[in-house]
Amino acid sequence: DIQMTQSPSTLSASVGDRVTITCRASQSLSDLLAWYQQKPGKAPKLLIYKAFNLQIGVPSRFSGSGSGTEFTLTISSLQPDDFATYYCQQYISYFRTFGQGTKLEIK
Amino acid sequence: EVQLLESGGDFVQPGGSLRLSCAASGFTFSTYVMTWVRQPPERGLEWVSTISSSGDSASYADSVKGRFTISRDNSKSILYVQMNSLRVEDTAVYYCAREGASRAAADSWGQGTLVTVSS
Repeated sequence: DIQMTQSPSTLSASVGDRVTITCRASQSLSDLLAWYQQKPGKAPKLLIYKAFNLQIGVPSRFSGSGSGTEFTLTISSLQPDDFATYYCQQYISYFRTFGQGTKLEIK
Repeated sequence: EVQLLESGGDFVQPGGSLRLSCAASGFTFSTYVMTWVRQPPERGLEWVSTISSSGDSASYADSVKGRFTISRDNSKSILYVQMNSLRVEDTAVYYCAREGASRAAADSWGQGTLVTVSS
């Protein structure tokens, strides 16, 4: 199975900060990587698909980059609504896997 | 509007069985790959199983293989997962999610249903 490693596990930041979350895969994904946002008690929400494509309705301050085995999610200017947990997921394999998550906290 | 509504979550003893359902509406169900994802309390997301749009192929996480069976009824737009030989570690919120036609991210999710396995 493909292993997904996210870093950091926790990130403390302030409103207006630029933050980056990294996701590394144990083998090449081409560009078949997604990023999800999850808030407590809620279902995950798709932010980015195919590494850098913004899902409809997602603010443009979110962006994704990377290919192969290393990917990043960047939030250009944190807003209060962005404090949540973020997950990467590979879907090149029929055996999907998620990263362990990055909790974005208010500093 | 795409809607996915899970049901069937319950409290069950170890070794027991449960069938979860996910009723879909607002899209042509038979053309989408569907997936189950679970989240144990205070933990991250774990992929469980995915089924093709026609229902003729499926994949499972090692942790559930041989115990869980995913299926779908395209005539009723319902996704199922039959869970047998349940273990304490299967305790989680179970989400159904819609993917695209092939190798696509999960763009719509249900609200989840809670399965608790405990003696």
